Amino acid sequence: EVQLVESGGGLVKPGGSLRLSCTGSGYSLNNAWMSWVRQAPAKGLEWVGHIKSNTDGGPTDYAAPVKGRFTISRDDSKNTLYLQMDSLKTEDTAVYYCTTGPKTTVVTQSYYYFDLWGRGTLVTVSS
Amino acid sequence: DIQMTQSPSTLSASVGDRVTITCRASQSISRWVAWYQQKPGKAPKVLIYKASSLESGVPSRFSGSGSGTEFTLTITSLQPDDFATYYCQQYKSYPLTFGGGTKVEIK
Repeated sequence: EVQLVESGGGLVKPGGSLRLSCTGSGYSLNNAWMSWVRQAPAKGLEWVGHIKSNTDGGPTDYAAPVKGRFTISRDDSKNTLYLQMDSLKTEDTAVYYCTTGPKTTVVTQSYYYFDLWGRGTLVTVSS
Repeated sequence: DIQMTQSPSTLSASVGDRVTITCRASQSISRWVAWYQQKPGKAPKVLIYKASSLESGVPSRFSGSGSGTEFTLTITSLQPDDFATYYCQQYKSYPLTFGGGTKVEIK
């Protein structure tokens, strides 16, 4: 079965750090553009950030609320995506999903939606 | 940033009803919109991509339309399995953004 599996969630104090992992099972992350999406309790979906494939240069982009605090990286040899979360705030409490999907390139622009999601891992930031 | 305004936020309907959910983008996004269904405790599932393309395996009662700034998701005959929350998402530019969600409840 093709799936993404997140791990690393848990309880952390405000100001603390946590690293989430997302591993592909039956799915190669190599050449995939990968995103993290989070969902606070009883709230909607929020895109956190993404990383392009190494063949596309591997640059990252982040949503404003996490820029400068979160870092996305990948290790294709381990088929794993990471989300390093530093200086955590209570408002970062959420289920964190890794996700990916097919990429369409038009001239020089690429676009991708999400057709494969992990089950999510809960991060709770509380004192 | 592109804002995605989804309406209504809650919708009460009966099995067999035709349901329409609207999403408005704050600027033109061509047809780079996807629609997702999410059930409690589960990850979202894509239904529609590029505004009107039906994802493989998704029932044909789901359809999408629109371009530019106005988009709709239609369920032609609501089934018991369709009671869930639906989100639109633009993937035209970064940051990628989602609508606030529409919860479809049993009337």
